[in-house]
Amino acid sequence: GENVEQHPSTLSVQEGDSAVIKCTYSDSASNYFPWYKQELGKRPQLIIDIRSNVGEKKDQRIAVTLNKTAKHFSLHITETQPEDSAVYFCAASTEAGNMLTFGGGTRLMVKP
Amino acid sequence: SAVISQKPSRDICQRGTSLTIQCQVDSQVTMMFWYRQQPGQSLTLIATANQGSEATYESGFVIDKFPISRPNLTFSTLTVSNMSPEDSSIYLCSVLKTVGEQYFGPGTRLTVT
Repeated sequence: GENVEQHPSTLSVQEGDSAVIKCTYSDSASNYFPWYKQELGKRPQLIIDIRSNVGEKKDQRIAVTLNKTAKHFSLHITETQPEDSAVYFCAASTEAGNMLTFGGGTRLMVKP
Repeated sequence: SAVISQKPSRDICQRGTSLTIQCQVDSQVTMMFWYRQQPGQSLTLIATANQGSEATYESGFVIDKFPISRPNLTFSTLTVSNMSPEDSSIYLCSVLKTVGEQYFGPGTRLTVT
């Protein structure tokens, strides 16, 4: 089955700096890669996703890149703000199965 | 997205008892899933709740321990049976809205004493 690894497990940045979180996956059949943000005590929220026919996707301060050959994808957050502090999860699935396999999570702390 | 509710939001249960968690979504969805999130950990898929047929369980999860019902396209239940302290977790349902995109319910925080 699919295995998703996520790094780093914790990340501390100064407000205004950029943050990058990286994930690798094992199943070459995976073709959908979402990112979720989970604030303390809250549900995971889908913040951005990318499909295998696209190399990069942006939404305001966040962007995701995908390298299918290397089987890795990354989340980039620019101009970080304290409200970006949360745990971020990457995931992978095949569109046929729709079952998400999650990475281990990254705790992002943005210091004001 | 979707409006998803879960009941109860939290519970404290005695070991050996069972708890049924309900998940309700505001519109019909093709697929519903149940996940477990242990304290400080990632999300692990328990099973896919299939409407009109038995749920599909992931490795390490069995129907006798986690029976699931899905009577229609907007509702599902997960029962945690014969609970032990190791079952203390957050249980989340999710729904598939379009190809690939899953949205999560608020979760049920279960503590087993």
